[in-house]
Amino acid sequence: GESVGLHLPTLSVQEGDNSIINCAYSNSASDYFIWYKQESGKGPQFIIDIRSNMDKRQGQRVTVLLNKTVKHLSLQIAATQPGDSAVYFCAENNAGNMLTFGGGTRLMVKP
Amino acid sequence: DAGVIQSPRHEVTEMGQEVTLRCKPISGHNSLFWYRQTMMRGLELLIYFNNNVPIDDSGMPEDRFSAKMPNASFSTLKIQPSEPRDSAVYFCASSLLRGGQPQHFGDGTRLSIL
Repeated sequence: GESVGLHLPTLSVQEGDNSIINCAYSNSASDYFIWYKQESGKGPQFIIDIRSNMDKRQGQRVTVLLNKTVKHLSLQIAATQPGDSAVYFCAENNAGNMLTFGGGTRLMVKP
Repeated sequence: DAGVIQSPRHEVTEMGQEVTLRCKPISGHNSLFWYRQTMMRGLELLIYFNNNVPIDDSGMPEDRFSAKMPNASFSTLKIQPSEPRDSAVYFCASSLLRGGQPQHFGDGTRLSIL
């Protein structure tokens, strides 16, 4: 989900379950998308990216899905672990090498 | 591999003082970005450089903020004079200069202006 103002959307999942974090992007001309993970006290960490000529890309335990028709991006985390607890940001590249970031979603993993 | 290195990690100072934040990008990267992150406004781009040249500084809040990149391996963000509302976490990121490349972030400088 997208952040509105001060409040970060929160997704709470049970350890071992799959997580799905969603993001709506704004610019239909965007051609490159990235998911970042930010843990407390650290900078955003690159997780996975996808170009607009693809609709799905898989990494280790993570999958990114891109639906250009509705301008929607999702991050799926398989077998969610406590170490996955963090804030997740989507970002879109629509001009040169600048990125526009979403507001973030907080993922909380319950043991 | 060394990532983006920022210093200091934490800075606490009184309002009116000059603050200088430092960044060493990843070797070989030729784009550098300065961001500010707050609870209120999220992650905001302040300025970015390509090949050491400032390209877009429209995110710099006021004339009190300035940034330089004297060479490919070093950049500074300076606030003079600092104000309490400048309190935030400041991140530096670097990337290769072409579209479709991820930016890699440092761990930030947490700045508190009293």
